Amino acid sequence: AQSVAQPEDQVNVAEGNPLTVKCTYSVSGNPYLFWYVQYPNRGLQFLLKYITGDNLVKGSYGFEAEFNKSQTSFHLKKPSALVSDSALYFCAVRAPRNSGNTPLVFGKGTRLSVIA
Amino acid sequence: DTGVSQDPRHKITKRGQNVTFRCDPISEHNRLYWYRQTLGQGPEFLTYFQNEAQLEKSRLLSDRFSAERPKGSFSTLEIQRTEQGDSAMYLCASSHGTGAYEQYFGPGTRLTVT
Repeated sequence: AQSVAQPEDQVNVAEGNPLTVKCTYSVSGNPYLFWYVQYPNRGLQFLLKYITGDNLVKGSYGFEAEFNKSQTSFHLKKPSALVSDSALYFCAVRAPRNSGNTPLVFGKGTRLSVIA
Repeated sequence: DTGVSQDPRHKITKRGQNVTFRCDPISEHNRLYWYRQTLGQGPEFLTYFQNEAQLEKSRLLSDRFSAERPKGSFSTLEIQRTEQGDSAMYLCASSHGTGAYEQYFGPGTRLTVT
């Protein structure tokens, strides 16, 4: 069965500093990996995904993530944090199969707080 | 741009009552998903449609839950004989194409069972 772990419930970072939100996964085969962000009273917004190819993927709002197969990780990063990045971040994994579509499995989320 | 919409946004009901939620996906998306999210947890998969066909259901989806997508467009999720444990945010998402495609989420329906 596939699973996702986000080891930190909360990450605090000063505005302008780099940020990292950690994610590790467990899945059979090559994973499809996703990051979503959730602002208060709003649905999840897609940030970026890794399907294949370059291990470093770039997404919305200056975020990027690095796929590391040997460490089964997909950490979210941003070089310079903004106060407006404060939100709840979810990592998700899907195991591709011949039918083409399997459910997304989400981590518990990491709350990012960027302090001015 | 019309994203995924859900109605109602909030629902308060008494235990034992039936409730129905509606989801309107992005128009060109043929895949529609329902998830449940409780406080401090990530969304948990409930069920998934490809066009009008319900292709997969989670074990979380007890027999009190039923979902439909009659014409392959909007979907409804009904919960019969609600219990306090059903209190959660119910999220709908849609996607275009197979597994590599990202899902786009609606704002959710928050259900409170008293």
